[in-house]
Amino acid sequence: QSVLTQPPSASGTPGQRVTISCSGSSSNIGSNIVNWYQQLPGTAPKLLIYSNNQRPSGVPDRFSGSKSGTSASLAISGLQSEDEADYYCAAWDRSLKAWVFGGGTKLTVL
Amino acid sequence: EVQLVESGGGLVQPGGSLRLSCGASGFTFSSYEMHWVRQAPGKGLEWVSNIRSGGNNIYYADSVKGRFTISRDNAKNSLYLQMNSLRAEDTAVYYCAREVRDANNYGAFDIWGQGTMVTVSS
Repeated sequence: QSVLTQPPSASGTPGQRVTISCSGSSSNIGSNIVNWYQQLPGTAPKLLIYSNNQRPSGVPDRFSGSKSGTSASLAISGLQSEDEADYYCAAWDRSLKAWVFGGGTKLTVL
Repeated sequence: EVQLVESGGGLVQPGGSLRLSCGASGFTFSSYEMHWVRQAPGKGLEWVSNIRSGGNNIYYADSVKGRFTISRDNAKNSLYLQMNSLRAEDTAVYYCAREVRDANNYGAFDIWGQGTMVTVSS
């Protein structure tokens, strides 16, 4: 049982816009920033979004993040086949004194 | 090239010990907080431990507290994870990751190693 809650799966067709939610509590998302990681099959995770809505250099602007209260969302517009991956949200939890991850969302491009 | 390379994984019996290493290159290792994150087969990511740049301010996940010890040698650009009293549920790919801070001092794991597999089984 992960501290942050994500839907286990999401899907869309090429060109569509999809969103992935991440729900937490006042001790993590509610009081800290959220980061998002993309994990392509068989590879290490990659930083996709940091500080709620910032993109590292090289990440396409099709990817965007937002946060409101104790929830966060990752949006992917103009969906492409190469976006098929697992996506994880993460935040520091001040009560647990630990980084916590969501359970991950497997994105399928139909 | 900025790189992290883990080593030391393998098969170990329940109750046994293993020491993982993570070698850093391409950046000033001593300036960064470092982490271990693991991923059990077919499961999600689980943060394990972190250590500040100077070797102080260490935290552990409850699941490994008292059994795992994180350390670093800045002179050797290396991060370590000593794992004792291993259990079947510790079976996972173990990644080391670098934490970068933004202008507001918020952190994110921007560089990850390729991971090393640890299997705990008799």
